[in-house]
Amino acid sequence: DTEVTQTPKHLVMGMTNKKSLKCEQHMGHRAMYWYKQKAKKPPELMFVYSYEKLSINESVPSRFSPECPNSSLLNLHLHALQPEDSALYLCASRGTGNNEQFFGPGTRLTVL
Amino acid sequence: AQSVAQPEDQVNVAEGNPLTVKCTYSVSGNPYLFWYVQYPNRGLQFLLKYITGDNLVKGSYGFEAEFNKSQTSFHLKKPSALVSDSALYFCAVRERGNYGQNFVFGPGTRLSVLP
Repeated sequence: DTEVTQTPKHLVMGMTNKKSLKCEQHMGHRAMYWYKQKAKKPPELMFVYSYEKLSINESVPSRFSPECPNSSLLNLHLHALQPEDSALYLCASRGTGNNEQFFGPGTRLTVL
Repeated sequence: AQSVAQPEDQVNVAEGNPLTVKCTYSVSGNPYLFWYVQYPNRGLQFLLKYITGDNLVKGSYGFEAEFNKSQTSFHLKKPSALVSDSALYFCAVRERGNYGQNFVFGPGTRLSVLP
């Protein structure tokens, strides 16, 4: 299995809602990443987990809360988001034997 | 600090002609360099990488890239463009170092291949 999966594909939420994005990989990769991408822009790094520990937080607002329950799963918990948080959220993983990242298809998030 | 530049926002090429998408980088040490392609509303798809060794790297779908250390460049090339190559292309760099270290992406170049 050489795939990174993300659910849901699309999510619409209000500013008072709590929701979660899920990312899963079964390639044995021990580094996992969350990115935010606005239209026609490069991905912006949000968080990096290395061996299930948070190693990089790029000064992301606390309304985004990452979680890595095990080596295959990565969650992004969302609460009290703003309309400007609407974007494509991408998950990626990387193995110790690889240098490239493998990306999931993304979750298209719309905050109303 | 690492950085990546892609000097062209848009590249237009006729189908069947060769294409080049430019990338220059800046790192303090030795770089790992990557090209990714993104189709609309999709994740990024890995095309090729330079880690070490031969400066000419061959990747997926007939793409190749040449690492030039003196010019700090890693331009993406294809001898004969297809309409289906039309997409957004990102160059990325990672400095050799800690395992979890992040990648830096360039701003992207939109490639349009005209039939």
